[in-house]
Amino acid sequence: SYVVSQPPSVSVAPGQTARITCGGNNIGFISVHWYQQHPGQAPLLVIFDDSDRPSGIPERFSGSSSGNTATLTISRVEAGDEADYFCQVWDSSSEQQVFGGGTKLTVL
Amino acid sequence: QLLESGGGLVQPGGSLRLSCAASGFTFSNYAMSWVRQAPGKGLKWVSGISDSGERTYYADSVKGRFTISRDNSKNTLYLEMNSLRAEDTALYYCAKDSRPYGSSYLDYWGQGSLVTVSA
Repeated sequence: SYVVSQPPSVSVAPGQTARITCGGNNIGFISVHWYQQHPGQAPLLVIFDDSDRPSGIPERFSGSSSGNTATLTISRVEAGDEADYFCQVWDSSSEQQVFGGGTKLTVL
Repeated sequence: QLLESGGGLVQPGGSLRLSCAASGFTFSNYAMSWVRQAPGKGLKWVSGISDSGERTYYADSVKGRFTISRDNSKNTLYLEMNSLRAEDTALYYCAKDSRPYGSSYLDYWGQGSLVTVSA
């Protein structure tokens, strides 16, 4: 089945730009979705279909995907952005949803 | 809103049925999924079902042991879990798919129901 991989952790100073990657074979050809999860809370969709933002998600959150890597970019990082981030894709061959292992974003 | 119930403590080999009551959207128009999260771990998709219930999908780890179903007249999603193992211990989230067929992003999530498998 399809495998997606994320770095376990990313650290960034407030006001800087955080980039969280999601790697997979030809991931640029399938839709990638991103979720934010704060401790003790349910996941929240922040990016869908590679680069679209749900209503209510700040413009500081953006996404892109090409080749074997999808990227979630958070500009002007704030303390409240500190959370776990998960990418997700649909594996059409196995008909299964697949989540990345998650990346813990630390705001220094 | 998605409200899960039915979690609890169960012995290995036992069974449990989770329910998810949906409100605030037309339940019968969307696929639904169950996603679990073991303590301190990441998200793992468990199972999905299409809007009508005709199509069901399962993770390899639960295939043959878990059964997903829905009652559109009651706006309720179910997960029947049999032959439970210690590794099934997790917080189980109910999530709404954005499309009817269960192959897209999950745009609304419940708060989860805790399942603990232990002797």
